[in-house]
Amino acid sequence: QVHLVESGGDVVQPGRSLRLSCAASGFTFSSYGMHWVRQAPGKGLEWVAVISYDGNNKYYADSVKGRFTVSRDNSKSTLYLQINSLRPEDTAVYYCAKGARILTLYYHYMDVWGKGTTVTVSS
Amino acid sequence: DIQMTQSPSSLSASVGDRVTITCRASQGISNYLAWFQQTPGKAPKSLIYGASDLQSGVPSKFSGSGSGTDFTLTISSLQPEDSATYYCQQYNTYPYTFGQGTKLEI
Repeated sequence: QVHLVESGGDVVQPGRSLRLSCAASGFTFSSYGMHWVRQAPGKGLEWVAVISYDGNNKYYADSVKGRFTVSRDNSKSTLYLQINSLRPEDTAVYYCAKGARILTLYYHYMDVWGKGTTVTVSS
Repeated sequence: DIQMTQSPSSLSASVGDRVTITCRASQGISNYLAWFQQTPGKAPKSLIYGASDLQSGVPSKFSGSGSGTDFTLTISSLQPEDSATYYCQQYNTYPYTFGQGTKLEI
């Protein structure tokens, strides 16, 4: 059974950094692209970033480009999201999600989601 | 970026009814369109991919159609547990983008 568990969310001050993690199990992690999606309180879903199965290709939303870095450790079946220079507008629940197609970054929807981890940016 | 526009933003229906939610893309996305269901405090759940293919385990009361720029999600035989917010999402081009959501009340 595919399982994704996010962690690392916290209450942090503006300008600080945070690293989120997503531990995966139940599938061959190293064969699938992985996504981050966030949801601000009371708002809709916003796609944040994706990383290819091998970590060599990444895409970001314009709103986070230059401040967020997605990475992965296939030996640990873990996905990461490094968030720098946090802003109040980064306050959200951050979900990781598995891409549905094996060995490709393209044309793959998100078939399994974690329960999310909450980031609150406040002074 | 491709803009996804859902309508209506909210709707109310009764048990046993059938409803249709519309999603329009600002440019053609072939059939690279997914639908998700989200209940309050929970993670989104995949319902449909490829515009019309049902995710494993999703009941057949959910159906999707469309191609190009116009898509629909239809939910039949509504039950109280179908109360949720529904999102469409294009996965044709990065950055992937979601519709703003449709809140369904039963």
